[in-house]
Amino acid sequence: DIMLTQSPATLSVTPGESISLSCRASQSISTNLHWYQQKPNESPRVLIKYASQTISGIPSRFSGSGSGTDFTLNINRVEPEDFSVYYCQQSNSWPDTFGAGTKLELK
Amino acid sequence: EVQLVESGGGLVQPGRSMKLSCAASGFTFNNYDMAWVCQAPKKGLEWVATISYDGSSTYYRDSVKGRFTISRDNAKSTLYLQMDSLRSEDTATYYCARHGSYYYWGQGVMVTVSS
Repeated sequence: DIMLTQSPATLSVTPGESISLSCRASQSISTNLHWYQQKPNESPRVLIKYASQTISGIPSRFSGSGSGTDFTLNINRVEPEDFSVYYCQQSNSWPDTFGAGTKLELK
Repeated sequence: EVQLVESGGGLVQPGRSMKLSCAASGFTFNNYDMAWVCQAPKKGLEWVATISYDGSSTYYRDSVKGRFTISRDNAKSTLYLQMDSLRSEDTATYYCARHGSYYYWGQGVMVTVSS
């Protein structure tokens, strides 16, 4: 199975900062990488598909980049509602696998 | 709008069975593969099983093979997960998800396996 390693595990920031979250795959997955946000006691919601493609209804401050094994989720100027856990997921090879998540917390 | 509403969770004793259901709306159900994904308390996300759009193919993670059965009724736009021989390590929130390359998720249903 393909392993996805997310870093950092926790990131403490103040609203207004711009940040980058990392997801690294154990082997090349092209751009078959998707990002999710999960708020406490809620189900995940997709933010970015295929590494960099936007999802309707998701704020434009969220963007993604990368291909192969290294991927990044960027949040331009963090808003208070963005404090959540972020997961990456690969769909390149069966079975789909998820990263362990990065918790974005208020500093 | 995609809507997925799970039901059927709760407390069950080890070794017993439980069946989850997921009612889908807002999209053409029989055009999509569907999946169950679980999340143990305070843990990450783990794919459990997938069924093809027409029900002809099913896939399971190793830890549930032979114990869980995923199925669907396209006439009712409903997905199911039959869970047999439940173990304490199956305790988790189970999410129904529309499974393209990425997932759209239901709100989840909690399953607690404990004596």
